[in-house]
Amino acid sequence: DAKTTQPPSMDCAEGRAANLPCNHSTISGNEYVYWYRQIHSQGPQYIIHGLKNNETNEMASLIITEDRKSSTLILPHATLRDTAVYYCIVSGNTGKLIFGQGTTLQVKP
Amino acid sequence: DAGVTQSPTHLIKTRGQQVTLRCSPKSGHDTVSWYQQALGQGPQFIFQYYEEEERQRGNFPDRFSGHQFPNYSSELNVNALLLGDSALYLCASSLRTGGSETQYFGPGTRLLVL
Repeated sequence: DAKTTQPPSMDCAEGRAANLPCNHSTISGNEYVYWYRQIHSQGPQYIIHGLKNNETNEMASLIITEDRKSSTLILPHATLRDTAVYYCIVSGNTGKLIFGQGTTLQVKP
Repeated sequence: DAGVTQSPTHLIKTRGQQVTLRCSPKSGHDTVSWYQQALGQGPQFIFQYYEEEERQRGNFPDRFSGHQFPNYSSELNVNALLLGDSALYLCASSLRTGGSETQYFGPGTRLLVL
C-alpha cells in the first residue's frame, strides 16, 4: 500500500500557483519524498524530490514540514499543460516506488 | 542525451501467447525497474534489475520474468498471457548510489490481450 495520502482532485486557475498537498505520517528517517506527474497515457515525469529541506528546481518547489509528516508541491504559475495526475511517493534507497491514486490537477483558463 | 526508450510502443496479443518488451535506460544509468499500469490505476512495481540480476520483486506471478544485459538494457517477458495483463508497461532507469535514486520513466508499451 502507498504510504501517502493525497486529495483525489484539485482545480487551479491558469497563471495562479497550484499547491498540491501530501500526507506521509509514517515516513522513516531515510525515506525521501518524490513527486511525479503523468499526463494521459504517457510515462510518469519526475518533478522533484527531497529529504527534509525545502527544494526548488525549474519545474516546482517542494515544501516539507519540519516533522516530515507532510509536504506540498508548488507549481508557481500553472499552465494548461500542467493538467495531469500528480503522484507523491515516499521511498527509501530500495528503489521501489509505490504509487497511490495521486491527485488529478485540472488547470482551467 | 537520450532518455529512457521502450519498444514496441503498442502490441496486440491473444490469450496464452508470450510477449517480450524492451527497454534502454537513460545514458549513465545502471538499474532498470518495470511497472504495470492498468487503466485508471497508478503504476505497480513488477521488479528491478541491477548488475544483471533481479534485486527486488513486487507481487507478480512467475509468468512475469526479466533480464538485464551487460549494456544495462532490459527485457520484460510475460508468458501465458491473460486478458488481465492488458496494461501500459513502464520501464524506469536510475543510477544506484546508495542514497536517493531518482527513477526516470520511458513512454511505456501499451499491451492489449484479446
